[in-house]
Amino acid sequence: AQSVTQLGSHVSVSEGALVLLRCNYSSSVPPYLFWYVQYPNQGLQLLLKYTTGATLVKGINGFEAEFKKSETSFHLTKPSAHMSDAAEYFCAVSESRDDKIIFGKGTRLHILP
Amino acid sequence: DAGVIQSPRHEVTEMGQEVTLRCKPISGHNSLFWYRQTMMRGLELLIYFNNNVPIDDSGMPEDRFSAKMPNASFSTLKIQPSEPRDSAVYFCASSLTQDSYEQYFGPGTRLTVT
Repeated sequence: AQSVTQLGSHVSVSEGALVLLRCNYSSSVPPYLFWYVQYPNQGLQLLLKYTTGATLVKGINGFEAEFKKSETSFHLTKPSAHMSDAAEYFCAVSESRDDKIIFGKGTRLHILP
Repeated sequence: DAGVIQSPRHEVTEMGQEVTLRCKPISGHNSLFWYRQTMMRGLELLIYFNNNVPIDDSGMPEDRFSAKMPNASFSTLKIQPSEPRDSAVYFCASSLTQDSYEQYFGPGTRLTVT
């Protein structure tokens, strides 16, 4: 069965600094991988997704993630953090396009002025 | 586009009472998902429908929980009787196809059972 582990329930970075949110997955077949963002008192929004093809995927708001099969990782990065990036970020995995998504427990990103 | 609509946004009820949460998916979307979010367990999929038919309800915690989708534009999640441990934020999401990664989430219903 597929699963997702997000390292660090809370991450703090200074405004303008690099953002790195870590995600490792477990899947018995080539996975579909996603990052979702949740702003306070809102539902989740799709940030980016990997299905097949290029392993570096770009999403909204300057975020990107790289699928590394050898490391079973799908870390989320952004070169320069902005105050508006403060939110909770969820990594998720699905084993097929028709299957349900399994979400990680989330990482809350804090941006320090 | 109004997005996924959920009602009520907040619900406070006493233990033992029946609770009904409502969801209107985005028009034209044919898959609908119910999730529960808590600090302890994170985001859990409870049940999902495709073309109004329940596909997977393995996440429904127990028989006190039930979900229906009588038509393409409406779904309910019912808890009867409610218990304090049911307190959580319940999200509804919909997608255009069964390609589940294109899910659009509603704003959630915050349920408090006292």
